[in-house]
Amino acid sequence: DAGVTQSPTHLIKTRGQQVTLRCSPKSGHDTVSWYQQALGQGPQFIFQYYEEEERQRGNFPDRFSGHQFPNYSSELNVNALLLGDSALYLCASSPGLAGGLAGELFFGEGSRLTVL
Amino acid sequence: AQKITQTQPGMFVQEKEAVTLDCTYDTSDQSYGLFWYKQPSSGEMIFLIYQGSYDEQNATEGRYSLNFQKARKSANLVISASQLGDSAMYFCAMRDPWGYNKLIFGAGTRLAVHP
Repeated sequence: DAGVTQSPTHLIKTRGQQVTLRCSPKSGHDTVSWYQQALGQGPQFIFQYYEEEERQRGNFPDRFSGHQFPNYSSELNVNALLLGDSALYLCASSPGLAGGLAGELFFGEGSRLTVL
Repeated sequence: AQKITQTQPGMFVQEKEAVTLDCTYDTSDQSYGLFWYKQPSSGEMIFLIYQGSYDEQNATEGRYSLNFQKARKSANLVISASQLGDSAMYFCAMRDPWGYNKLIFGAGTRLAVHP
């Protein structure tokens, strides 16, 4: 049973460019959340998608946008990249908005973005 | 607003010994959930253990147990019989009661297990 898969694993961009990160949730999961983890910090919630709609959003600018497809996979788009966007971007999936029995999220290994 | 505090940037422990990783939280809500995740160098966040605010007993999962002291607002992780593979970053997190799966993470503790 495949877990949460993310692509690409590593990428390098320059300031002002745009990037798209992809996530396939764990089998049977229909809810996807995205987190940004800067070096040396804990992850910060970006937004959550359920039924192809953004349901919750953290304190991130509109440069961060997303999409969920009918097969529950998701994309995270970041426009006009800044140096401060360099981070590990983690995708997490769960069965429904409230998660599993203990509300746990299953995370992928992340996409490490470097902005030069 | 909810907040998680992990005051130990780094900890080390001898193999086969027990170690406690500290976590305190701040919330005005009565219903909340607390999590611990392990993050190895690969980057993946691995779920370890969960404690609900109304759970009467401390949560246990194999070698992991959560020392939940509600009045002190602490949720410390205890790892018994440490193994070399336990070396990783450990994050305490709280679920936002209004945000379903929105987790609020602490800054983490880096654990090093020495042979």
